[in-house]
Amino acid sequence: KQEVTQIPAALSVPEGENLVLNCSFTDSAIYNLQWFRQDPGKGLTSLLLIQSSQREQTSGRLNASLDKSSGRSTLYIAASQPGDSATYLCAGDNTDKLIFGTGTRLQVFP
Amino acid sequence: AAGVIQSPRHLIKEKRETATLKCYPIPRHDTVYWYQQGPGQDPQFLISFYEKMQSDKGSIPDRFSAQQFSDYHSELNMSSLELGDSALYFCASSLVRRSYGYTFGSGTRLTVV
Repeated sequence: KQEVTQIPAALSVPEGENLVLNCSFTDSAIYNLQWFRQDPGKGLTSLLLIQSSQREQTSGRLNASLDKSSGRSTLYIAASQPGDSATYLCAGDNTDKLIFGTGTRLQVFP
Repeated sequence: AAGVIQSPRHLIKEKRETATLKCYPIPRHDTVYWYQQGPGQDPQFLISFYEKMQSDKGSIPDRFSAQQFSDYHSELNMSSLELGDSALYFCASSLVRRSYGYTFGSGTRLTVV
C-alpha cells in the first residue's frame, strides 16, 4: 500500500528565503507525482505535475524534482513571499488514484 | 478554461439526514474521483469512475454511494449522516487515465450537526 510522507510538517520562515519541501513515498511504482497548494478551508490548486517520464518541472519560483528509485520528490520555492503561506501537499499517482502526503504547513512572515 | 464544478459549496445537515453532492468534470475528461478531507487531515480517496463505470473504491462507508451519469457528471449520496462525516468533499477529474494530472474542484463543505 502506497504511503506518502512529507517533511517538515510545518515551516515558518521570513520572506526571501529559499525553501525545500520534501516528499517520500513507499512504492516507487508511481505513475505521476503532483504538487498542490491548499489555503485554509479551500480547494486544491495544482502547482506542478511531474509525469512518469520526467524528472523535473519548473513554474516561476517553483521547481519540483522526482527520483523514483529513492522514492523522493522535492519542491523548491525560491525567494519566498508572504503570499506563499499555505499547506503544500504532494500526491503520488498510484494504481489509478492519487495518494496524498501529510502536507507541509508553510508560513512566510514579512 | 473550464474547471471542475462542485455543488453545493456549503451544506449543513442534521444527523441521520441524507446529502447529495454533485460534480461536473472538465469536458471530455473520462475519469472522476471523490475525496474526503477531514479537519487537519489529508484528502482520502473514496471512489472513482471511468467512463461511467466504477473503477476503484477506497475507504468509502457503506452509507455512501456514488454514480456517474451519461453526461459524465457524478453524484455522491450520503445517508444516515454522522457527526464524523463533517468534512470537505472534493471531486477531481482526469483525462486519458491521468496522463495530464488531476484537476480538483473547489470542494463541498459538509457540516453535520
